[in-house]
Amino acid sequence: EADIYQTPRYLVIGTGKKITLECSQTMGHDKMYWYQQDPGMELHLIHYSYGVNSTEKGDLSSESTVSRIRTEHFPLTLESARPSHTSQYLCASSPGQGFSSYEQYFGPGTRLTVT
Amino acid sequence: DQQVKQNSPSLSVQEGRISILNCDYTNSMFDYFLWYKKYPAEGPTFLISISSIKDKNEDGRFTVFLNKSAKHLSLHIVPSQPGDSAVYFCAASNSQGGSEKLVFGKGTKLTVNP
Repeated sequence: EADIYQTPRYLVIGTGKKITLECSQTMGHDKMYWYQQDPGMELHLIHYSYGVNSTEKGDLSSESTVSRIRTEHFPLTLESARPSHTSQYLCASSPGQGFSSYEQYFGPGTRLTVT
Repeated sequence: DQQVKQNSPSLSVQEGRISILNCDYTNSMFDYFLWYKKYPAEGPTFLISISSIKDKNEDGRFTVFLNKSAKHLSLHIVPSQPGDSAVYFCAASNSQGGSEKLVFGKGTKLTVNP
């Protein structure tokens, strides 16, 4: 059973607000990821981390930022939310070695709506 | 340019019959492939994977077939059950690329009718 948590599950917020989406995992995984997904579309990688103090931008350009101060915690921050940020945000983690590192465990997601 | 394509947005089958979900890829460097299942309001869950050194991998009712020359893989579910109704995502990765980044398709919504 995968233990990866995201809060909040749903968020409706006004333009210009600063928001932080939380993601935590209790599996001790070194690798963590943030994806953005619009309905009917593929998941796009926006950030990833291979360990504490390691963060990289993903394939899809994003105005968000991430931090990895603790292994279990990988929050995503939007400094000034805009309607174009409306989407579902999915956090994932994976173990560090071999082909099992490709088997990512996903949280339930945060559905963000910016009005 | 989409590197992983699932050309059927939806598929409907009868309970007990076979479900076949298809996926095509364009990047010849991809050598590890995964299928994920996603229920509404939940995150995707890993279902089954296959390395390019194999052409088939089986796990219970789920079998994935890989045709490298055609850059095509398929997921077979036999027999299909109503609980299999979900969106299925195909994902691919280049294990020699130095990262474990996955490239996802857009998904196929499977409906299994009782």
